[in-house]
Amino acid sequence: GQQLNQSPQSMFIQEGEDVSMNCTSSSIFNTWLWYKQDPGEGPVLLIALYKAGELTSNGRLTAQFGITRKDSFLNISASIPSDVGIYFCAGLTGNQFYFGTGTSLTVIP
Amino acid sequence: EAGVVQSPRYKIIEKKQPVAFWCNPISGHNTLYWYLQNLGQGPELLIRYENEEAVDDSQLPKDRFSAERLKGVDSTLKIQPAELGDSAVYLCASSLVLSSGHNEQFFGPGTRLTVL
Repeated sequence: GQQLNQSPQSMFIQEGEDVSMNCTSSSIFNTWLWYKQDPGEGPVLLIALYKAGELTSNGRLTAQFGITRKDSFLNISASIPSDVGIYFCAGLTGNQFYFGTGTSLTVIP
Repeated sequence: EAGVVQSPRYKIIEKKQPVAFWCNPISGHNTLYWYLQNLGQGPELLIRYENEEAVDDSQLPKDRFSAERLKGVDSTLKIQPAELGDSAVYLCASSLVLSSGHNEQFFGPGTRLTVL
């Protein structure tokens, strides 16, 4: 199946720093979702985006639905140790979700 | 409200043995998904149900994998016989299309399968 291009693959940052990651596709999507997955757990939904250009926040997290509908961005401000995990983007077309390859985030206290 | 429930959480079997996973979706969610997740990868769809109908099973290896969703609620995924390469996390998810047209998908905790 199709997997979206997600970058960076991994990040090591100091606590308090801001984080940016993105997801791109050759296909157009009508919904973008961002998930966080902790070890041994299933992905947890963080933010959902439904309209091109939409900018949505959830606490320290902000995500944007790209104008071209082929990309999305997630920013985390003032990172804390519990932000550690793997972040996945997902694009929806029809009733099918396609997932990115994940960004592994490590926060150094 | 309870989330997506999966059991077992972990399963260790020897190759050629059968194994089954169970999923209970969020109440009212008519779409149910089974995904395979290998280490370091995103989830990959195995099968998608709309109510009790399997509407997309194109990625399901039908020689050894089977699934059912009787009554359009709970679902089981079976592997028989299991192979070493089947070791992975099996994720169940469910979603509901709202009147707004919005569609959000929620995952269960997954079943980690190890085939020896």
